[in-house]
Amino acid sequence: DIQMTQSPSSLSASVGDRVTITCRASQNISRYLNWYQQKAGKAPKVLIYATSILQSGVPSRFSGSGSGTDFTLTISSLQPEDFGYYHCQQSYTTPRTFGPGTKVDIK
Amino acid sequence: EVQLVESGGGLVKPGGSLRLSCAVSGFTFSNAWMSWVRQAPGKGLEWVGRIKSNTDGGTIDDAASVRGRFTISRDDSKNTLYLQMSSLKTEDTAMYYCTTRTTSWRHFDYWGQGTLVTVSS
Repeated sequence: DIQMTQSPSSLSASVGDRVTITCRASQNISRYLNWYQQKAGKAPKVLIYATSILQSGVPSRFSGSGSGTDFTLTISSLQPEDFGYYHCQQSYTTPRTFGPGTKVDIK
Repeated sequence: EVQLVESGGGLVKPGGSLRLSCAVSGFTFSNAWMSWVRQAPGKGLEWVGRIKSNTDGGTIDDAASVRGRFTISRDDSKNTLYLQMSSLKTEDTAMYYCTTRTTSWRHFDYWGQGTLVTVSS
């Protein structure tokens, strides 16, 4: 199975900060990497798919990059509504595996 | 409007069984590849398994952690996805979500609200 890791596991940042979350796959997954946001008690919501394609309706302050094994989710200017958990997921092969998640707090 | 509504969760003893359902509307269910994803309390997301559409063979893939205990099925006439769970363990305690992709891209773009399964004596 492909193992996914994320760093950091949590972060606290101020409104307006640039935030970067990293996801690493245990083997080459090309660009089959998706990012989800999850608020407490809610289902995840896709933000970015295929590494860098923004899901319809998602603000343009979110962006993704990478390929192979190393990927990045960037929030260019953190907003109060961006708190929550962020999960990466590989869709290169089954089993589809997720990273352990990154908790984002607003200072 | 796309809707996925899970039901069937509850409290069950270790070794017991439970069947979850996911009723779908707003897209052509018979063409959809459907998945189950779970989340243990305070933990990350875990892919449980997937069933392809019958036109794509109806193939089922599942996670090693549930293989031989959980069975995914679908009833296209009822627009419903199922997860039959047996030989339940305490570590199966989780929120169970059904999810799908409605495009050719491989991400999950629609999710249900989840149904909670608690395995405890």
